[in-house]
Amino acid sequence: GQQVMQIPQYQHVQEGEDFTTYCNSSTTLSNIQWYKQRPGGHPVFLIQLVKSGEVKKQKRLTFQFGEAKKNSSLHITATQTTDVGTYFCAVTSGTYKYIFGTGTRLKVLA
Amino acid sequence: DTEVTQTPKHLVMGMTNKKSLKCEQHMGHRAMYWYKQKAKKPPELMFVYSYEKLSINESVPSRFSPECPNSSLLNLHLHALQPEDSALYLCASSPRQGASFFGQGTRLTVV
Repeated sequence: GQQVMQIPQYQHVQEGEDFTTYCNSSTTLSNIQWYKQRPGGHPVFLIQLVKSGEVKKQKRLTFQFGEAKKNSSLHITATQTTDVGTYFCAVTSGTYKYIFGTGTRLKVLA
Repeated sequence: DTEVTQTPKHLVMGMTNKKSLKCEQHMGHRAMYWYKQKAKKPPELMFVYSYEKLSINESVPSRFSPECPNSSLLNLHLHALQPEDSALYLCASSPRQGASFFGQGTRLTVV
């Protein structure tokens, strides 16, 4: 079946450092979504990317969809303690069927 | 209202019990989902209802029985669960193409 891998699995950064997580699919994607899950919380939607090579920004977060639509990245500039959590990408595998990536757990050291 | 409400927040049940998880949304979304999430793992899709009909069952054991009474409500009936079924159960809803909105989840412990 379709596999969605994220790297790294864990990342510890000092507050103020940048952070990037990568999402890689074995198949070409129609779109990709990103979610954030705080410790003890539930996934919260961040963004959806649809177009090849698309780049979207939300304040300190930059999301990119690869040209071949098989990979995506989330970059956080100057991390803050509020960025702590697990970041998941999610891809569609048929209508309404979403497969979540393995996730990247981010810890920010103050 | 962009909220998905799940009850209860916590549930402890014995292996012979019958219990139900409830989920409600008023965003007019016609797709509703049940996910299971184990610690330090991604959410795993269990069931999808679209337009109140079961459209996806990811080979979930029959001890989990979903129900969609109307377009705003989704239930998950639990019977004869095993300790390995202990997990966070997440409900979500979405429009046809777009973000999924998740509830806070039910933390289930099977003893």
